[in-house]
Amino acid sequence: DAGITQSPRHKVTETGTPVTLRCHQTENHRYMYWYRQDPGHGLRLIHYSYGVKDTDKGEVSDGYSVSRSKTEDFLLTLESATSSQTSVYFCAIRENPGQGNSPLHFGNGTRLTVT
Amino acid sequence: AQSVAQPEDQVNVAEGNPLTVKCTYSVSGNPYLFWYVQYPNRGLQFLLKYITGDNLVKGSYGFEAEFNKSQTSFHLKKPSALVSDSALYFCAVRDLNDNVNKFYFGSGTKLNVKP
Repeated sequence: DAGITQSPRHKVTETGTPVTLRCHQTENHRYMYWYRQDPGHGLRLIHYSYGVKDTDKGEVSDGYSVSRSKTEDFLLTLESATSSQTSVYFCAIRENPGQGNSPLHFGNGTRLTVT
Repeated sequence: AQSVAQPEDQVNVAEGNPLTVKCTYSVSGNPYLFWYVQYPNRGLQFLLKYITGDNLVKGSYGFEAEFNKSQTSFHLKKPSALVSDSALYFCAVRDLNDNVNKFYFGSGTKLNVKP
């Protein structure tokens, strides 16, 4: 357990509404990531952060924004949810970014359904 | 561009038999390679990683992975499968020469171990 908590664990929302998912870590790791998991696509990177207020886009960032105002929290926002954003969202941290082969560690995910 | 391919959506094996889950990768430089396992309704758990110079890497739960540079492969193996090994397995890669801490994942392989 890498001390990662995702909330909520499940969310159902309507098309066009804003949604914010939260990732909280307890160990002050610098690097945090948001991925989405969809059948046939594996995990795809949405955004990542390399420090407070330092974020960058991943391969599927359209329609998503992120914020990191403090080390322990990384927020993912869907400004206007669409059905194509129905997915399972995973947060991850990287413990030792100075070591090239340091792995990611994941939270338990948020299942989001957009109706 | 970095990419990972897992050519088999599903692998079926009988308990006690050896198992192999295949992974091939493409990076512009030297690779960092990882295997993860996912059980239902859980996040991904780190299994093992490639260590430069070791063609056979040992990891958690009796799993190992064989690195082959000429074939750009990093196949996951276990000498004797257990029913409890049934899960979804993901291969991931990061480019040694990539200054950005991005990890790329395969689409996943579902392993079914039958009693």
